[in-house]
Amino acid sequence: GAGVSQSPSNKVTEKGKDVELRCDPISGHTALYWYRQRLGQGLEFLIYFQGNSAPDKSGLPSDRFSAERTGESVSTLTIQRTQQEDSAVYLCASSSQGRRQPQHFGDGTRLSIL
Amino acid sequence: EDKVVQSPLSLVVHEGDTVTLNCSYEVTNFRSLLWYKQEKKAPTFLFMLTSSGIEKKSGRLSSILDKKELFSILNITATQTGDSAVYLCAVEKDSGYALNFGKGTSLLVTP
Repeated sequence: GAGVSQSPSNKVTEKGKDVELRCDPISGHTALYWYRQRLGQGLEFLIYFQGNSAPDKSGLPSDRFSAERTGESVSTLTIQRTQQEDSAVYLCASSSQGRRQPQHFGDGTRLSIL
Repeated sequence: EDKVVQSPLSLVVHEGDTVTLNCSYEVTNFRSLLWYKQEKKAPTFLFMLTSSGIEKKSGRLSSILDKKELFSILNITATQTGDSAVYLCAVEKDSGYALNFGKGTSLLVTP
């Protein structure tokens, strides 16, 4: 596709529910990243995929957070038993192979936990 | 602990003014510094800087990196209302994959 696509664009859910966020990277981009942006804060790294494997999960804040990637394409970020502090914009980025390539971002999913 | 600090946090200017945004960093194993523009949604890529002293330019925007003093500046000349956005600075380390972001500078250009 032309750019990184994320869905849904907005999600409102009750505390304690599970949510799944989806990211379609730019076609051909092997590297995929998830970030979280809380109100008034900078972007926080969550997880990095190279192909279908995740060599860096260091940013996942708790075991309620998990992510997977299939077919070296689509990725889903799952948050179980959501808490109010999970409210944020979740941004996905992708880049082509090679460490010197910039990351390109999607529009994000705005998650609100009631 | 790695740090990326942007200043000012916010700025209001008139159309036609020139602005300079600052980004200082303290990271181990520095690889590159990136600038992004974030309007309503997706941060859009502006520049990637890896070498000191080499200016990157795109239209009215330019940026330069000083690896000795550990900072970068982003200049915007002849500002327009469409330049209003949050400008994000991020640093990439040699030893990892994540971008370490600053909190951003919110720029408002008034007519």
